[in-house]
Amino acid sequence: KAGVTQTPRYLIKTRGQQVTLSCSPISGHRSVSWYQQTPGQGLQFLFEYFSETQRNKGNFPGRFSGRQFSNSRSEMNVSTLELGDSALYLCASRGTVTTNEKLFFGSGTQLSVL
Amino acid sequence: AQKVTQAQTEISVVEKEDVTLDCVYETRDTTYYLFWYKQPPSGELVFLIRRNSFDEQNEISGRYSWNFQKSTSSFNFTITASQVVDSAVYFCALSDSNTGNQFYFGTGTSLTVIP
Repeated sequence: KAGVTQTPRYLIKTRGQQVTLSCSPISGHRSVSWYQQTPGQGLQFLFEYFSETQRNKGNFPGRFSGRQFSNSRSEMNVSTLELGDSALYLCASRGTVTTNEKLFFGSGTQLSVL
Repeated sequence: AQKVTQAQTEISVVEKEDVTLDCVYETRDTTYYLFWYKQPPSGELVFLIRRNSFDEQNEISGRYSWNFQKSTSSFNFTITASQVVDSAVYFCALSDSNTGNQFYFGTGTSLTVIP
């Protein structure tokens, strides 16, 4: 069974540009979550989608948005990039959204904003 | 409010030493789950263990063991006879129903095992 796949693996952008990251969950998983990881900050929750609907949203500005498609694949978009957006963006999937359901993570997309 | 605290930012040990990673959590929910994940340099977080709030039994899996104590809201992780391959960042996380089963992660503990 294939794991969570994130593309691209690395991305370099300049300030003001926008970027779209992609995540394909494990087959059969309907939930996809996105996290931003920066040194010293740990994993900051961005949002979670389940069956194409956003369930939860973290405390990030509106420049960060996402969506989920009918095949459960998800995209995350960041508009008007800032230097502080440089981070590892991790995607995670799970089959359901119950309390005990663990997350399965992808390898992440390393975004550098110059 | 839900919160997970990992006070140890970085730990270095010599190979074969034992090491304990601390995790303290906060939640008002009575039903919740605690998790530990390992993040090697490749970046992908790997699931290690899950524990529910009603099961305070300690667990041992090979060189890994976990101590869950509700009285102190702690869920500590011990590696016995550490190895170089244990070098990674370790995250503790909480999931509870009050917030739609969203995960709350600690800031992680970076473990370096020196050969």
